[in-house]
Amino acid sequence: SQTIHQWPATLVQPVGSPLSLECTVEGTSNPNLYWYRQAAGRGLQLLFYSVGIGQISSEVPQNLSASRPQDRQFILSSKKLLLSDSGFYLCAWSVAGFSYEQYFGPGTRLTVT
Amino acid sequence: GESVGLHLPTLSVQEGDNSIINCAYSNSASDYFIWYKQESGKGPQFIIDIRSNMDKRQGQRVTVLLNKTVKHLSLQIAATQPGDSAVYFCAWTGNQFYFGTGTSLTVIP
Repeated sequence: SQTIHQWPATLVQPVGSPLSLECTVEGTSNPNLYWYRQAAGRGLQLLFYSVGIGQISSEVPQNLSASRPQDRQFILSSKKLLLSDSGFYLCAWSVAGFSYEQYFGPGTRLTVT
Repeated sequence: GESVGLHLPTLSVQEGDNSIINCAYSNSASDYFIWYKQESGKGPQFIIDIRSNMDKRQGQRVTVLLNKTVKHLSLQIAATQPGDSAVYFCAWTGNQFYFGTGTSLTVIP
């Protein structure tokens, strides 16, 4: 069966510090991978998605970036965090193509202080 | 994009009553629709899906209705229980995956 992992589960970082969140998927090959952000009491905002290694599409211009160094690994990064980067970050995967359900990881709660 | 971060509408129901959560989608060409449930501090979980060639699909205590004419999707939860308290999102496909704003359901014991 497929599983998706995210870490860390929670993170408190000062403004201006770098960020690296990691997501890995097991039990499937060539998945579509997604990063979402969810502010408190709000809906999901798609940040990045990837249809293959090294292929990243950005939905929202900001100080975040994403990389996919391996087929089942998706990384969300920032060189300098802003207060507005605080939120709940969710990684998700789906089979290739957009007409299938997405499976979500447990999320990372990021607080920028 | 079509998925945006907006303040969530809320719905409160008495335990045992039926709940109806609504969603308006924006892409008339969408062919796949999903409802997710998200409990506090957790990632969204799949509840039920429906393809555009159907207008109704039933699961265990849940029913999804699709009205393509008005681009409306609804989730009905029968005999709502305290464990159903969560945020519910609809999602639909287009040239990518889009999420509705979500509805926060609170079940009153």
